[in-house]
Amino acid sequence: AQKITQTQPGMFVQEKEAVTLDCTYDTSDPSYGLFWYKQPSSGEMIFLIYQGSYDQQNATEGRYSLNFQKARKSANLVISASQLGDSAMYFCAMSPFSGGYNKLIFGAGTRLAVHP
Amino acid sequence: NAGVMQNPRHLVRRRGQEARLRCSPMKGHSHVYWYRQLPEEGLKFMVYLQKENIIDESGMPKERFSAEFPKEGPSILRIQQVVRGDSAAYFCASSPGTGRGDDNEQFFGPGTRLTVL
Repeated sequence: AQKITQTQPGMFVQEKEAVTLDCTYDTSDPSYGLFWYKQPSSGEMIFLIYQGSYDQQNATEGRYSLNFQKARKSANLVISASQLGDSAMYFCAMSPFSGGYNKLIFGAGTRLAVHP
Repeated sequence: NAGVMQNPRHLVRRRGQEARLRCSPMKGHSHVYWYRQLPEEGLKFMVYLQKENIIDESGMPKERFSAEFPKEGPSILRIQQVVRGDSAAYFCASSPGTGRGDDNEQFFGPGTRLTVL
C-alpha cells in the first residue's frame, strides 16, 4: 500500500532557528517522487521542494532542504533560519511513477508555529 | 502567465442540491488532477483527467460524483445531491505532462470551499 506518515501534528520553533518536519513513506514502486507543500491559513497549496527516488543528492531550495534517507524511507523537510511567515501547515506527498503520471499521495500534515 | 484558476472560491449548497466546481488549468497544461481536503486532513486524490479522457478515477466516490475535462473549456467536478459529508475544500492541480521529475510538477489552484447546509 502507498502511504505517507507525518507523525508530528504540531511543531513549535523559535524565529531564526532550524526545524525538521518528519515524513516517512511506504511504497513498493522502485521509483517515485517526494514533494513538500506549504499551506498557509489562506488555504492555497505552495510547492516547496522535490526529491526523486533516483537522485543521488539531497534536494535544496533556498532555506528548504530535504533529508532523504532511502533505506529508512524517510524524507524529512529541514527549514533553516525560520521566519514568522513560515507558520503554516506542511504536507509531505509522494508520487509513485508506476502509473506513468504524478498522482500525489499526501500525509496528514504538520502544523508549524514560529514564535518571535 | 495566469496560474490555475478555480471558481467559485466558496460555494454553499443545501442538502440535495448540485455543486459544480470549475478548474481552468495553466496555459499549455493538458493534465488535470482533483483532490479533496476534509477539515484538518491532508489532500486525497480523486481523479486524473487529460483532455476528453478520464485516466484514473480511483479516488472518486462511485455515486453522485463525476468529472470531465472537455476539449474546450475548464474541467468540471460535479457533485449531485450533496450531503453534509461533502463539505470540504476541493483543489485542482494541473501539469504540463506526465512522467518523472519536478518538470511535471503539479501547480495547484486556490481551491473551492464547499459548505453543505
